[in-house]
Amino acid sequence: DAKTTQPPSMDCAEGRAANLPCNHSTISGNEYVYWYRQIHSQGPQYIIHGLKNNETNEMASLIITEDRKSSTLILPHATLRDTAVYYCIVRVFYPPGTYKYIFGTGTRLKVLA
Amino acid sequence: DAMVIQNPRYQVTQFGKPVTLSCSQTLNHNVMYWYQQKSSQAPKLLFHYYDKDFNNEADTPDNFQSRRPNTSFCFLDIRSPGLGDAAMYLCATSREGESTDTQYFGPGTRLTVL
Repeated sequence: DAKTTQPPSMDCAEGRAANLPCNHSTISGNEYVYWYRQIHSQGPQYIIHGLKNNETNEMASLIITEDRKSSTLILPHATLRDTAVYYCIVRVFYPPGTYKYIFGTGTRLKVLA
Repeated sequence: DAMVIQNPRYQVTQFGKPVTLSCSQTLNHNVMYWYQQKSSQAPKLLFHYYDKDFNNEADTPDNFQSRRPNTSFCFLDIRSPGLGDAAMYLCATSREGESTDTQYFGPGTRLTVL
């Protein structure tokens, strides 16, 4: 299974962009990269996902390198409510017809006032 | 709103006393997952159902079982809880078959073993 590597923690000033990196050097060509976040004692919340192209939605942007071995989640204007653990996940095919979501160890993002 | 519901949110059991956690969903998704999450760790997949087909992870202890009586409900049974089974248990659903599918998580059940 593909494996992801993330820094254990990061700080970001409120109002600045938060850039969270993830390495997934063993990812296969048809495996998607997902990002979720988990605020203390809640279930993980979906942020964004992508395959090879950069993606943007109302929450964040996802930049995937051309070789697909790494990606960066960008929160353009971090707020205190963005303080959470962010998980980089690779979705792998699980025969005969479903998928498993392989979680990374997560980055604890702290947004500072 | 369509959602994933887990009951109870907090469960206390005694060492060795069987316990059942429940999950229900109104999303009509065909896949349901159970994860175990210990303190300061990432969620760890225990097993999942694809429709009625059960898929167990190789390293999931036999002490953990699951039932899915219908599309909407899924149960996690811990036959003889040990102190090491204290954790947050997360249920998730997805509608597989489309490349843009995502997982939807419930709020979790925090299990304490005394």
